[in-house]
Amino acid sequence: KQEVTQIPAALSVPEGENLVLNCSFTDSAIYNLQWFRQDPGKGLTSLLLIQSSQREQTSGRLNASLDKSSGRSTLYIAASQPGDSATYLCAVPSSGSARQLTFGSGTQLTVLP
Amino acid sequence: EAGVVQSPRYKIIEKKQPVAFWCNPISGHNTLYWYRQNLGQGPELLIRYENEEAVDDSQLPKDRFSAERLKGVDSTLKIQPAELGDSAVYLCASSLEVPRAGDTDTQYFGPGTRLTVL
Repeated sequence: KQEVTQIPAALSVPEGENLVLNCSFTDSAIYNLQWFRQDPGKGLTSLLLIQSSQREQTSGRLNASLDKSSGRSTLYIAASQPGDSATYLCAVPSSGSARQLTFGSGTQLTVLP
Repeated sequence: EAGVVQSPRYKIIEKKQPVAFWCNPISGHNTLYWYRQNLGQGPELLIRYENEEAVDDSQLPKDRFSAERLKGVDSTLKIQPAELGDSAVYLCASSLEVPRAGDTDTQYFGPGTRLTVL
């Protein structure tokens, strides 16, 4: 059974700082990995999807990397802004099903102005 | 374009009462998901529909939970009777049909229904 762990559970940084969020998974036979953002009282928004053949994916100030062999992914946020404050979750397809996602518990990020 | 719509946004009930949640997916999306998210946790899949057919409901507590997706569009998730442990956010998501085996299509999430059982 796939298990996803995110560390740290919460992170507080001053505005402008670069930061890294971590995600690890137990079953390395994944098709891809996704990073989502969740704002309080709202649903999830997909930020980046990395296919298993890729090592990283970039969107604006966000860069996600994937190391399947070690079962790890990182989300790098450059020049953080208060608007980046949210919970960030990673998710991988569950073992045996590409459509069923297994989510981590998320990292709650607070960027202080 | 309208996103995934869910109602109600909040619901407070007493234990043993029934409750229902409604979801309208993005137009044209034939796959619909219901997730439950406990406080401080990631979402967990309850049931997945492809059109009208429930293709993955292994995580749905069938003794008290039921779901339907008539006509392959909107969907209703019901709990009867509700228990204290059912307090959570219930999220609905939808996605287009996956064209190739092994791919994961982007899921679009609604805002969720926050259920509190007293």
